[in-house]
Order: sequence, then structure tokens, then C-alpha cells
Amino acid sequence: AQTIHQWPVAEIKAVGSPLSLGCTIKGKSSPNLYWYWQATGGTLQQLFYSITVGQVESVVQLNLSASRPKDDQFILSTEKLLLSHSGFYLCAWSLEGGGASAETLYFGSGTRLTVL
Amino acid sequence: TQTVSQSDAHVTVFEGDSVELRCNYSYGGSIYLSWYIQHHGRGLQFLLKYYSGNPVVQGVNGFEAEFSKSDSSFHLRKASVHWSDSAVYFCAASKNSGTYQRFGTGTKLQVVP
Repeated sequence: AQTIHQWPVAEIKAVGSPLSLGCTIKGKSSPNLYWYWQATGGTLQQLFYSITVGQVESVVQLNLSASRPKDDQFILSTEKLLLSHSGFYLCAWSLEGGGASAETLYFGSGTRLTVL
Repeated sequence: TQTVSQSDAHVTVFEGDSVELRCNYSYGGSIYLSWYIQHHGRGLQFLLKYYSGNPVVQGVNGFEAEFSKSDSSFHLRKASVHWSDSAVYFCAASKNSGTYQRFGTGTKLQVVP
């Protein structure tokens, strides 16, 4: 069975400090990977997606970056946090390729980020 | 402009009641439509999806949804809700790219015991 693990569970950081959030998927090779951001009580905004190692596409510009250093790992980071970065960050995976099989997202349990 | 609209921010029903959560979309061409559930403070879980064929699709835990092209809708229904169904429900739409899904604003369902 596939599992998805996000770390850390929660972070409290100061404005201007760096950030690194991680996500690991086990039991599935070559998944599509995604980062989503959710404001408190809000909808989900897709930030990045990756279909293969070393290749990441940005969906929105929020002064964040993402990398996929390994097939099963997806990293979200920034060198300088803003207050607006606060929220809930969700990593997700789907089957590779396009079409019906790729349209189902499997989410991690999320990271709650508070920027002060 | 592609949009996914969930007109009801909150819905409250009694346990055992039926419920319908509404989703309307504005997309051209063929799309995939999905519903997800999010319990408080947790990640989202997939409930069901539609692309083609029978417009009524069955999902987990007794949920079903019906696609209507004429109404541009994909409403989620359950015949008899349980208190554990209390959560936020998100409708999502995507084109056949497998890389981008647009989510609605969510509907918070509260089931009163």
C-alpha cells in the first residue's frame, strides 16, 4: 500500500526566516507530486507539481520554491518567510501520466505553518 | 474563465437526514469532477469522481454525486448522514492534463446528533 508522510506536522517561524517542508511517498514509483496551500478556513490553491525527478512546474508565484531531489521526495522551501505564508500546506500524489487515473489525488496529513 | 463554485458555505442537518451539497462549474469541453472530504485539521480524502458514462457515480461511505451538463453541476448526496460525516467537503474540476485541479471554496457540513 502507498503511504504519504509530511514533515513537520507544525511550524512556528519568524518573518524573514527560511523554511523547508518535506513530503515522502512510499510504495509507488514515479508518482505525480503536488504542493497545495490552504488559508485558514479557505480553499486549496495548487502551488507546484512535478511529474518526474528534477522537474518542477510552478502554478502560482508566492515567493516559494519546490524541488524533487528523489523520485519519492518533494520539498517546499523559501529563504525568507512572509506573514502571508501562514496556512496549511498539503502534499499530494497521483498516478503518473494523464487521464482518469491521474485525476485522483491522495493527500498527506499536512503541515500547519504560523508565521509571526 | 474556469471556475468551481460551492454556493453553500455551511450546511447543518440532523443525523439520519439526507443531504445535498452543491457544486457548479464553468469549464469548456470535457472535464473531470471530483469530491473530497476534509476532517478538521487533516488532509483531504477522495470520495468519488466523474468523467463520462453514467452521470450518477457512487463513492465511499454511501455518498453519490450526479453530473448534469445542462446545469453545469455535480452535486453530492447522501441518503442518511451520520455524525462522523461532519467535515468540509470540496468539489474539484480538472481538464485531461493530470496536473492541475481547481478546488471550490468548500462546504462545511455539520451533522447534529
